[in-house]
Amino acid sequence: DGGITQSPKYLFRKEGQNVTLSCEQNLNHDAMYWYRQDPGQGLRLIYYSQIVNDFQKGDIAEGYSVSREKKESFPLTVTSAQKNPTAFYLCASSIDPSGDTEAFFGQGTRLTVV
Amino acid sequence: ILNVEQSPQSLHVQEGDSTNFTCSFPSSNFYALHWYRWETAKSPEALFVMTLNGDEKKKGRISATLNTKEGYSYLYIKGSQPEDSATYLCAFGGDSNYQLIWGAGTKLIIKP
Repeated sequence: DGGITQSPKYLFRKEGQNVTLSCEQNLNHDAMYWYRQDPGQGLRLIYYSQIVNDFQKGDIAEGYSVSREKKESFPLTVTSAQKNPTAFYLCASSIDPSGDTEAFFGQGTRLTVV
Repeated sequence: ILNVEQSPQSLHVQEGDSTNFTCSFPSSNFYALHWYRWETAKSPEALFVMTLNGDEKKKGRISATLNTKEGYSYLYIKGSQPEDSATYLCAFGGDSNYQLIWGAGTKLIIKP
C-alpha cells in the first residue's frame, strides 16, 4: 500500500540532545512537509521541500534541520537549539507543491523532552 | 499575519442529526481551501480541496461550500454517524506562496 511512514511513534529526548524523526513516502510525490502541532493550535509548518535536494524554511524553522537526499525520504532533526521541542510532529507529502493538491499525512511522532 | 479560524472548537451532536461548522480565512489572495478529517490515532485524510468561489463539493453525507469573497467555507454532515467523530481541519492556501495556513480544527463528537 502506498503511503507515508513516520517513525518512531513516540520519542523521548534528554535536554541538550539532538534527535531525528524519520519520514518515508512511497507515493512518488515531489513535495514533502514537516508540521508541528501544539494543543489548541493549528498545524505550523517547520520545513518543506518541493523537490529532491531542495528545502525551504517554514514559519517555525529555528532549532530544526532537514535533508532531502532522496525523493522518498525527508528526515527532521530536532536540535538542542530548539527551546521547546515537546510536541506532536506530522510529516506530509503532496504530488506537487502547488497548494491545490491534497496532502497525505503520516501518523505522527510524539516527542517529549525528559 | 494570516489567520484561519474554525468554529466551533468542539461540537456534540446526536446520532442521526445533521450539523455544520465554519472555516474563516483571509478574503484576499485566495488560491485554495482544504478540508481534512482527523480521527484519533490515525492520519489526517483529505476530504476536499476547493479552488473556485461558489464551489460546492460532496462526498457521501459530507459536503462543503466556499465563499472566497467573504472568506468562509462551511462543512456539512448530514445524518451524523458515530464514525463521523473526528477533528475536522481546514487549511487556506494563498497565492503568495505554496504554504498552507491551518485552523485549529473543530472536534466533532457523535452521541449514540
